[in-house]
Amino acid sequence: QKEVEQDPGPLSVPEGAIVSLNCTYSNSAFQYFMWYRQYSRKGPELLMYTYSSGNKEDGRFTAQVDKSSKYISLFIRDSQPSDSATYLCAMIYSGGYQKVTFGIGTKLQVIP
Amino acid sequence: GAVVSQHPSWVICKSGTSVKIECRSLDFQATTMFWYRQFPKQSLMLMATSNEGSKATYEQGVEKDKFLINHASLTLSTLTVTSAHPEDSSFYICSARDWVLGQPQHFGDGTRLSIL
Repeated sequence: QKEVEQDPGPLSVPEGAIVSLNCTYSNSAFQYFMWYRQYSRKGPELLMYTYSSGNKEDGRFTAQVDKSSKYISLFIRDSQPSDSATYLCAMIYSGGYQKVTFGIGTKLQVIP
Repeated sequence: GAVVSQHPSWVICKSGTSVKIECRSLDFQATTMFWYRQFPKQSLMLMATSNEGSKATYEQGVEKDKFLINHASLTLSTLTVTSAHPEDSSFYICSARDWVLGQPQHFGDGTRLSIL
């Protein structure tokens, strides 16, 4: 079993839709949770990061963490064609070591 | 803030040559940088952790002699793929963390390496 599970998609939605992207994880030692956006042939771009359970909002993006269920989500409101990219969830164990464990990424296409 | 620059963005070379990739933190000091490899339709795989002024820490299965890492300053780490072969063709990405801001890792734009 992988430490982090993420549906690779692809996920196609019409412009303006609300997008829900999810990851599950198996190791309860993960404490920090991030979402990265990666355009083709580019490095990942940090979108959101959060610590512990709860919601965090930034513009059209909302990150949600449910540690009891080992489940994290990223919601994108009013999706735009420019949101078309691969979205990677990522996690870090507690403590000083910064090794990041990534999901495989979900490819999102927002259709105009 | 927290900009990471990687160079070159794309390199094509013959089998047997060595290729050097640079990773720079432009607006912050990074005592630690990370090197990843990404195959098509796969996630990022950590290759090694680069520590300024000391030896890099390699992940299991990564050949130290094949992938030489040097982190000579607080803003520059280099990855040299020695005697590259077609199976080394991949997308290599570096990252660094701004400890002062306390943010997670920021990534460079990656280097696409093609070995003929």
